[in-house]
Amino acid sequence: QLQLQESGPGLVRPSETLSLTCSVSGDSISSSSYFWGWIRQPPGKGLDWIGSIYYSGSTYYNPSLKSRVTISVDTSKNHFSLKLSSVTAADTAVYYCARHRPNSYGTFDYWGQGTLVTVSS
Amino acid sequence: QSALTQPPSASGSSGQSVTISCTGTSSDIGGYTYVSWYQQHPGKAPKLIIYEVSKRPSGVPDRFSGSKSDTTASLTVSGLQAEDEADYYCTSYAGSNNLVFGGGTKLTVL
Repeated sequence: QLQLQESGPGLVRPSETLSLTCSVSGDSISSSSYFWGWIRQPPGKGLDWIGSIYYSGSTYYNPSLKSRVTISVDTSKNHFSLKLSSVTAADTAVYYCARHRPNSYGTFDYWGQGTLVTVSS
Repeated sequence: QSALTQPPSASGSSGQSVTISCTGTSSDIGGYTYVSWYQQHPGKAPKLIIYEVSKRPSGVPDRFSGSKSDTTASLTVSGLQAEDEADYYCTSYAGSNNLVFGGGTKLTVL
C-alpha cells in the first residue's frame, strides 16, 4: 500500500525559507511513471496546487508561486522536497504531498496526511 | 480568489440527490477533459472521487458521478448518506502544465 508522509519544521520565521520533505513508501519514485506534487490549504480555506515533479527532475509550478518555489527529488532516499522562499503569514497552511497520475492532469490519487506550517516571528 | 467558482454550500436530505457546480472558463474546464473532484472530511486529507470529468477510482461508490458542459463541471451525489457530509473541491487543468482548484463547497446532509 502506497504511503506518503510529510515532514519538516512546523514554525518558520517571516522572510525565511520553508522546507518540507515527502517520504514515499510502498513504491519507488523512480520505478513508476507518476508525478509527485505539493498542495497546500490555508486554515479554513481551499486547496492550492504548488507544483509537481517527475522522477527525472522535470518540474511544473503554479505560476503565482513559481518565483519562490523549488521542488526536487532524491530517488536514492525515495523522497521529494519542497522549498518556498521569502515566506509571509499568507504562506501559513497545511501542506500536503500527493501522487499525481501521469497523463491525467489534476488526478492526485494518494495523499499524505498533511503537515501544518505556521509562519510567525 | 479561486480560479474556479463553486457555491460555498449545498445541502440535501438523506436519500436525495444533490449537484455541486464548478464554473471555469474556456482556458480551463472548457478547454480540457481533465476535471477532478475531491472529498475532504474535517481534519483529513482530500480523497479523489472523480477524475477526467466522469471516471471513478476503484472503491468510490457509484452514487458519485461527474459531468461537464461547456465551462461548467458538475458533481452529483445520489442517495445522500450521512458520511457524504464533507467539503468538496473541483480542479481543472488550465494549460501550460498549470492546475487550478475551486474554492470548495460544504455539503450538509439534512
